[in-house]
Amino acid sequence: AQKVTQAQTEISVVEKEDVTLDCVYETRDTTYYLFWYKQPPSGELVFLIRRNSFDEQNEISGRYSWNFQKSTSSFNFTITASQVVDSAVYFCALSEPYTGGGNKLTFGTGTQLKVEL
Amino acid sequence: GAVVSQHPSWVICKSGTSVKIECRSLDFQATTMFWYRQFPKQSLMLMATSNEGSKATYEQGVEKDKFLINHASLTLSTLTVTSAHPEDSSFYICSARLGQGNTEAFFGQGTRLTVV
Repeated sequence: AQKVTQAQTEISVVEKEDVTLDCVYETRDTTYYLFWYKQPPSGELVFLIRRNSFDEQNEISGRYSWNFQKSTSSFNFTITASQVVDSAVYFCALSEPYTGGGNKLTFGTGTQLKVEL
Repeated sequence: GAVVSQHPSWVICKSGTSVKIECRSLDFQATTMFWYRQFPKQSLMLMATSNEGSKATYEQGVEKDKFLINHASLTLSTLTVTSAHPEDSSFYICSARLGQGNTEAFFGQGTRLTVV
């Protein structure tokens, strides 16, 4: 069975601090994809990144960076120099194979990030 | 990126009535769409997978007669909550994928349903 664990329920930081959101996953598949989504208070899910299981290169996009380590089944997300606009719930998700022709996502429970002035 | 539009964004209905939520892929065709449900401060739970031209596949524990899903075209899937009850109040969100395989999923804006 697929499982995604985000142990941090809520994190509060002061603006300009760096913050890392943890994500640990479980899967028996050798091919899979990992995702991070941002959910602001308005509710919509904003896609941040997709990473396949064969690509362990870390990625940086502006103030965002991701550390994928298959050895520990982790896919952590770091925001550098956090800003108030980063306040949101962040979800890590795992894509599993699905016989229906698409792939359904298993989401973690989310981490509420609060960035204060 | 691709756009998925969900309508309405919020709805209040009386117990016993039915509510239809639409999910449209605006600039791409989606053979598969997914419907999720999210309770306050909780994660998204997959309810069902909607395949164009065929019956939806429901997750365990989801009543297919209560949550009717129709995927009549490559750009539209609908979720109808029949005989709604207060416990059905939740945030419903759909997603659509570009093509097959582990591609990026684009999500609609979500629909907040309140049953009174």
